[in-house]
Parts: sequence; structure tokens; C-alpha cells
Amino acid sequence: DAGVIQSPRHEVTEMGQEVTLRCKPISGHDYLFWYRQTMMRGLELLIYFNNNVPIDDSGMPEDRFSAKMPNASFSTLKIQPSEPRDSAVYFCASRSRVSSYNSPLHFGNGTRLTVT
Amino acid sequence: AQTVTQSQPEMSVQEAETVTLSCTYDTSESNYYLFWYKQPPSRQMILVIRQEAYKQQNATENRFSVNFQKAAKSFSLKISDSQLGDTAMYFCAFMNPGNQFYFGTGTSLTVIP
Repeated sequence: DAGVIQSPRHEVTEMGQEVTLRCKPISGHDYLFWYRQTMMRGLELLIYFNNNVPIDDSGMPEDRFSAKMPNASFSTLKIQPSEPRDSAVYFCASRSRVSSYNSPLHFGNGTRLTVT
Repeated sequence: AQTVTQSQPEMSVQEAETVTLSCTYDTSESNYYLFWYKQPPSRQMILVIRQEAYKQQNATENRFSVNFQKAAKSFSLKISDSQLGDTAMYFCAFMNPGNQFYFGTGTSLTVIP
């Protein structure tokens, strides 16, 4: 099991540029979550999918943020245009409900985004 | 809405000693799940231990154990025989029956040699 795979590990971009973060969940997991972590706000849930369908996107901060899950093995989080206040670590996590009701979230290693 | 509170932003413990991290939560649900995650400087989020609310027995994983008090809505983590590798940020998390996870703000633990 390769775990949740996120890319890139680090991203540095200039304000106004488009940023795309990628995530490959664990095979067979039917839930996928995007979190943002900052010192000020801790871990914030941005959006989560169940069977590739967005269920709750109330945490997405603005229209500049969008997320897609075109298939069970791939998801993207896009920020367009990016702003310095978007600088954070973005985590993707997946979970299987089928295997066990109390199955935990499995996190990727995160993408550290810096917007200058 | 569920909330998770970790009232200790920072803690330290001497190597080989025992330390307890506090976590309280607020919910109207009767069935739910609780987790502790560890985030070392590498920033990877690692599951430490989990607890089902309907189980009265406290979960244990090697040197890690919990004290789950359902009536008090308390879920503390005890680390015995602390090791330098335990230095990390620890997050308490709550999962409701709707599969939504809520995280506390974390406790930064430093193990002193």
C-alpha cells in the first residue's frame, strides 16, 4: 500500500498565478478530504468527496478555490488566482468506510504552498 | 456542531517519564469515534490510537493509552516511557456518524533528553 500520494511536496508561486495541487488516494478508499493547515487556524476542512462526488464544500474559503475528483484515484485542488494569504500546508486524506466504520483518515505528506 | 478542545498548547516531559495530553469535545451524538494523531517535524500525520464511543474499555497501543470519559466528554492521551521520537504535535480528532472529522488545535510535545 503506497499510502496517499500528494504532489508537489513544495510549491512556490507568485501572487496571481494559478496553483494546482494533486492527490492520489489509497486504492479502494471511497472518501477523500482536503485540509489546510496554518499556525493561526490549525487544520481546516476545505472539502470532502464520497465516491467522487463533492459532499461538503462549505470550508472552501472563496471562489478562487475549486476541487475536482474526476475518478476514484485522482483529485485536484486549484487556486486561481493565488494570494499570499493562501500560503499554508495542504493535506489530502482518504478513508474507507467499507473496511471498518471506525477507519481513520490516512493522510498524505502534504503540499507546502508559498505565495509571494 | 461538534467542537474539539485541546487546552494545552505546549507541554514538555523528561525522557522515560509519563505525560498526559488533554482533549475535550462537545457533541450531542451518542455514537462516534475519537482519534489521536501525531505530527512530527516531517509534518506527516500519523494515527496514534483510536476509540469507539460505545466501548467502555480504554484503547491501548504499546506505550500509548487513552482515558476515555464519555460522560465528561474527555479523551486524554497518556504516553508512557517517553522517547525522543515522541516529540511532535498531537491532535485530537472526533468523527461523527456522518463521517465528518473535527480536529483540535493541537498540543506541541517536547521530550527532553
